[in-house]
Amino acid sequence: LAKTTQPISMDSYEGQEVNITCSHNNIATNDYITWYQQFPSQGPRFIIQGYKTKVTNEVASLFIPADRKSSTLSLPRVSLSDTAVYYCLVGDRNNQGGKLIFGQGTELSVKP
Amino acid sequence: EPEVTQTPSHQVTQMGQEVILRCVPISNHLYFYWYRQILGQKVEFLVSFYNNEISEKSEIFDDQFSVERPDGSNFTLKIRSTKLEDSAMYFCASSEIGGRGRSGDTQYFGPGTRLTVL
Repeated sequence: LAKTTQPISMDSYEGQEVNITCSHNNIATNDYITWYQQFPSQGPRFIIQGYKTKVTNEVASLFIPADRKSSTLSLPRVSLSDTAVYYCLVGDRNNQGGKLIFGQGTELSVKP
Repeated sequence: EPEVTQTPSHQVTQMGQEVILRCVPISNHLYFYWYRQILGQKVEFLVSFYNNEISEKSEIFDDQFSVERPDGSNFTLKIRSTKLEDSAMYFCASSEIGGRGRSGDTQYFGPGTRLTVL
């Protein structure tokens, strides 16, 4: 499984765009990239998933460069409620039912 | 939107007692999981379950742990003789196979059960 590296913490202010970058230098051809969000005392919540280029949904955008060795989660105009831990995970797209391996994640703190 | 539910939200037990944590996965999902998170630490995989049998388990999931799908809706985690170090948040998750264009590995988590062993 590809190892991921992301900043331990980030600070932001309400209304700003936040970009969290994750490094996954050893990503394999079949691996896709998934981001989860976890609020205190709650279970992780799926945010977005991608394989290459850009993916956008109602919550966030995910930018993946051509070499796929990193990815950036972009949260537009954050609010206080976006304060959470964000996890970048890399896994085999053909691996149905496989375990998720969480790192320490990035603790995002949004201030007023 | 369908959700994974878990009961109880908080369980307090004495060391050595048995506990059963319950989960109702999303109804059309076929893969089920248990994870745990000790306070201040990472989310750790415990076990995955498919087609009424364990698919994979971690080193944490020793003989004191067992899982069961007793009916068509519930998925349970049993700890036979709890230890102090079992105190943690326990999360149930479920996933479907390749539905709606997504990879089957997208897992949906419940709100967790906080287990406190005294």
